Amino acid sequence: DAKTTQPPSMDCAEGRAANLPCNHSTISGNEYVYWYRQIHSQGPQYIIHGLKNNETNEMASLIITEDRKSSTLILPHATLRDTAVYYCIVRVAGLNAGGTSYGKLTFGQGTILTVHP
Amino acid sequence: DGGITQSPKYLFRKEGQNVTLSCEQNLNHDAMYWYRQDPGQGLRLIYYSQIVNDFQKGDIAEGYSVSREKKESFPLTVTSAQKNPTAFYLCASSIIGGNTEAFFGQGTRLTVV
Repeated sequence: DAKTTQPPSMDCAEGRAANLPCNHSTISGNEYVYWYRQIHSQGPQYIIHGLKNNETNEMASLIITEDRKSSTLILPHATLRDTAVYYCIVRVAGLNAGGTSYGKLTFGQGTILTVHP
Repeated sequence: DGGITQSPKYLFRKEGQNVTLSCEQNLNHDAMYWYRQDPGQGLRLIYYSQIVNDFQKGDIAEGYSVSREKKESFPLTVTSAQKNPTAFYLCASSIIGGNTEAFFGQGTRLTVV
């Protein structure tokens, strides 16, 4: 699975957009970009995922560059409850030819997002 | 409600004892995963399974064992061979073959004294 690189921490003012970057320069054609977040001492929560098109749901937007080597998660109006660790993950969807890394999630260190009043 | 349940939330054991962590899901997912998380760190994959009676080692399988006798259940045993068992353990499940998300349980915090 491709490795991802994220800044260790970011700050954001409440009500402003939070833009969290992720580099995945070794991503392959069958790998999706997933974003999860984890609030302290809880299980990770799914946010959004995409392959090559930009995606939007009720929580966030995902912008993937045309070459797919990087992406940005956008929380349009951050609240204090959005303070969490955000993980960018690339994941194979379905079976690999070798059948050894199908679907598993490999987490990096993530970005600690702090939303302040 | 559908979901994934881990129990117990907190677990204390004496050093040298084996301990089994429970993970149950009613989402009809084929794949299940166990992760370990240490303070200030990301999640590391211990074991995963995509079908009953089959499982694969993850990145840090030493000192752990799993079983998958039923689709709904994927218990993790932390054996006495695991040198640093105190950690936060997370179970997840997902569909195979699609691009859907994985769902996580709320975790079990294991403390070995």
